[in-house]
Amino acid sequence: QVTLRESGPALVKPTQTLTLTCTFSGFSLGTSGLCVSWLRQPPGKALEWLARIDWDDAKYYSASLKTRITISKDSSKKQVVLTMTNMDPADTATYYCARTILPAYDLDFWGQGTLVTVSS
Amino acid sequence: SSELAQDPAVSVALGQTVRITCQGYSLRNYYTSWYQQKSGQAPVLVFSGKNNRPSGIPDRFSGSRSGSTASLTITGAQAEDEADYFCNSRDSSGFLLLGGGTKLTVL
Repeated sequence: QVTLRESGPALVKPTQTLTLTCTFSGFSLGTSGLCVSWLRQPPGKALEWLARIDWDDAKYYSASLKTRITISKDSSKKQVVLTMTNMDPADTATYYCARTILPAYDLDFWGQGTLVTVSS
Repeated sequence: SSELAQDPAVSVALGQTVRITCQGYSLRNYYTSWYQQKSGQAPVLVFSGKNNRPSGIPDRFSGSRSGSTASLTITGAQAEDEADYFCNSRDSSGFLLLGGGTKLTVL
C-alpha cells in the first residue's frame, strides 16, 4: 500500500526558510522510474509544480523558484525533503508531495497536503 | 499562467457526456495524465498517461488525444463527478507541466 505524508510547520514568518518532509511507504525511491514531486496550491488557485527528485537522484526545479528551493532524499528513511528560502506571504499554500512515475509523469499517489501560512 | 491550457469551467447535465480538454504543444509528443480534485481534498489520478484507468476509477472516465489537444471524457456524468479536473504532461527537458484546471459542474 503506497502512502505519502507531508509534515512541517503550519506557520512561518516572512524571510524564514521552510522545511517540509514527505515520508512515504509502500515503494522504494531506488526503483527505476519512480520519483517524488512537490507541488503547492494557494487557497482557491491552481496547482503549481515545485520540484522533483528521481530514483537516480536527478533533481528538477520550477524555473520560477529554482533559486529558492532545494529537494533531497533519504532513501533509508523513506523521506524526501523540500526547503524553500526567503518565504513570503505569497507562498501561503497547501503543499503536497506525490509519487511520480516515469515515463508517463503520472502523479499516482498523493499525500493529504499540509497548509503553510506565511505571516508575521 | 499555466503551461497547459484548460477551460476554467464546464457544466454537464446529470447523466450526459462531457469532454474536458487540455491544450499544449508538448502534448503532441508526450503523455497526458488527468486528475480529479474535490473541494478540500488532494488530487486523485483518474486517467493515466499510459492510457489506462487506475484501479477503482469508474470506466465512465476515458482519455484521448488529437494533435496538441488531450481530452478527458466522462460518459454519463454523476453528481459525485463535480470537481476540479486538471491535466499534466512534460516538456522536452523533462520538467512537469500542469494545466490550470477545469471546474466541472453537474447540473
